Amino acid sequence: AQSVTQPDIHITVSEGASLELRCNYSYGATPYLFWYVQSPGQGLQLLLKYFSGDTLVQGIKGFEAEFKRSQSSFNLRKPSVHWSDAAEYFCAVTLRDDMRFGAGTRLTVKP
Amino acid sequence: NAGVTQTPKFQVLKTGQSMTLQCAQDMNHNSMYWYRQDPGMGLRLIYYSASEGTTDKGEVPNGYNVSRLNKREFSLRLESAAPSQTSVYFCASSEVGVAPLHFGNGTRLTVT
Repeated sequence: AQSVTQPDIHITVSEGASLELRCNYSYGATPYLFWYVQSPGQGLQLLLKYFSGDTLVQGIKGFEAEFKRSQSSFNLRKPSVHWSDAAEYFCAVTLRDDMRFGAGTRLTVKP
Repeated sequence: NAGVTQTPKFQVLKTGQSMTLQCAQDMNHNSMYWYRQDPGMGLRLIYYSASEGTTDKGEVPNGYNVSRLNKREFSLRLESAAPSQTSVYFCASSEVGVAPLHFGNGTRLTVT
């Protein structure tokens, strides 16, 4: 069955520290991959996407993600976290028309 | 530039009542979606419409119906609301099925 897994429900990092949020997928073929961010009470905003080509993709707000086909992973990273990055982050995948989301990782940033 | 507009923002229903959630987009997108968001479960796809005139079931379609009224509008109907349908509902649209989604601000529905 197709699935998207975000193993970490909640992560706490100190401001200025680096961040990595994990995402694994299980699909019959390599899907199109996305990361979205949701601030409290808001809809979701696209951070970045991977369709093909270079496996390291850059997004908005200083985020990047690396696609690793051998590990079926698409992990999100940021070198230095800011307090304003506190939010919930969702990995999403699609093969064609039906985008599916992981359960999300809530990020808390300590001063 | 409104993007994706959902109405209402909040709704309280009693068990067994019906209601329709409205969604409209002004970006000339072909694909539209309805998701529900519950704590710890992320967003789950209820129904989607890849193009005007077509609709398909997603992961959790039971208890819901949809109508793609035209290219702009995609409504979600609860015929007989149940407490298990208490959730935040998001409508989204995209240019095509594999393109990034643009989300509305959500409808918070409580069924008592």
